[in-house]
Amino acid sequence: QQQVKQSPQSLIVQKGGISIINCAYENTAFDYFPWYQQFPGKGPALLIAIRPDVSEKKEGRFTISFNKSAKQFSLHIMDSQPGDSATYFCAASGTDSWGKFQFGAGTQVVVTP
Amino acid sequence: DVKVTQSSRYLVKRTGEKVFLECVQDMDHENMFWYRQDPGLGLRLIYFSYDVKMKEKGDIPEGYSVSREKKERFSLILESASTNQTSMYLCASIREGETQYFGPGTRLLVL
Repeated sequence: QQQVKQSPQSLIVQKGGISIINCAYENTAFDYFPWYQQFPGKGPALLIAIRPDVSEKKEGRFTISFNKSAKQFSLHIMDSQPGDSATYFCAASGTDSWGKFQFGAGTQVVVTP
Repeated sequence: DVKVTQSSRYLVKRTGEKVFLECVQDMDHENMFWYRQDPGLGLRLIYFSYDVKMKEKGDIPEGYSVSREKKERFSLILESASTNQTSMYLCASIREGETQYFGPGTRLLVL
């Protein structure tokens, strides 16, 4: 079974709106939580990542919120643009298994003009 | 600019054929990975390698094998392709503590 559960499966948002994708995990040994963005025909590319020592990380219009006690983390895309239309994956790994990421199922985001 | 390349973007094979997927990275990364990507399942780890000639099973190794004879090259082998191996295959590499880089993927269709 998937160790990282991601929701929603798909999301339609208007240009300028906020996209929110949520992930939950069980393994308390996870200590690195990246988000990947994938465009059709391309491999995933790292978007932003967080470690559990902070509750929020922001890079431009993308923000990760992290709740260690709830074992949840989320990606917020502010002022969503049509160019943000892609599939987003959350992932998690631990220092005892560096690089062995567990991925969420993915969220397809469509930003309408 | 870092680069992970995969030998084919699209492949069509017949059931029972032996299939080789090649991945090359130019970043001198120790660790390399093969994933398969299926709708609704995300990316699942097939095999990974943390050094030349070293390999470890991932979450779904059945029906696959790998080879890493050189640091920059990691091959995925389907010994006898089956229709349930139709999928997108993604190679990735990483240096410990750094970002994982993915190749563009190989879309394999097994008829």
